[in-house]
Amino acid sequence: EAAVTQSPRNKVAVTGGKVTLSCNQTNNHNNMYWYRQDTGHGLRLIHYSYGAGSTEKGDIPDGYKASRPSQENFSLILELATPSQTSVYFCASGGWGVVSYEQYFGPGTRLTVL
Amino acid sequence: AQSVTQPDARVTVSEGASLQLRCKYSYSGTPYLFWYVQYPRQGLQLLLKYYSGDPVVQGVNGFEAEFSKSNSSFHLRKASVHWSDSAVYFCVLSAGSSGNKLIFGIGTLLSVKP
Repeated sequence: EAAVTQSPRNKVAVTGGKVTLSCNQTNNHNNMYWYRQDTGHGLRLIHYSYGAGSTEKGDIPDGYKASRPSQENFSLILELATPSQTSVYFCASGGWGVVSYEQYFGPGTRLTVL
Repeated sequence: AQSVTQPDARVTVSEGASLQLRCKYSYSGTPYLFWYVQYPRQGLQLLLKYYSGDPVVQGVNGFEAEFSKSNSSFHLRKASVHWSDSAVYFCVLSAGSSGNKLIFGIGTLLSVKP
């Protein structure tokens, strides 16, 4: 069974503070992704990674950094959190190629920036 | 440009009734299409996928979808809905490009009345 876990599940942060969201996958997938979900927008891609040591900018990367220290782990970092970053964040993992294009999602992290 | 349009933000049906959720995509190449479902306070789960071949694909829990290249559509159907089908449904497009980025519709909130 594919498994993607996220921590924390809920987070309240102050404006200007640093926030780190963590994601772990046991699927042995090369690719991992960070999305945010906001009403009226569906999910939007923030950063993604092809494998350990790589990070790529997605469609809305401003204000976010990412880190992929290993195949299993992918972090999203908000160096200076702002209220506009209040959202639900989802991590996903996926293979690539003819075999499979689908992604497997974690349960989400609800972030509130006050 | 690649895009996915779900024209109905909210659909309400009675339990036992049939269901169709509409999805239109825009992409000049060969699309890989998915429907994901999100139950309240949970992550996204894959419902079904279309890569090629038979345009009608079967998914979990009695859902099916029909791909139409001429109409650029991938509508989701179910013959008889149950109250537990109440959730948000996302139509998703993959262009299959490097990195396999997914493009999401804004989602359709399905409410099933008992």
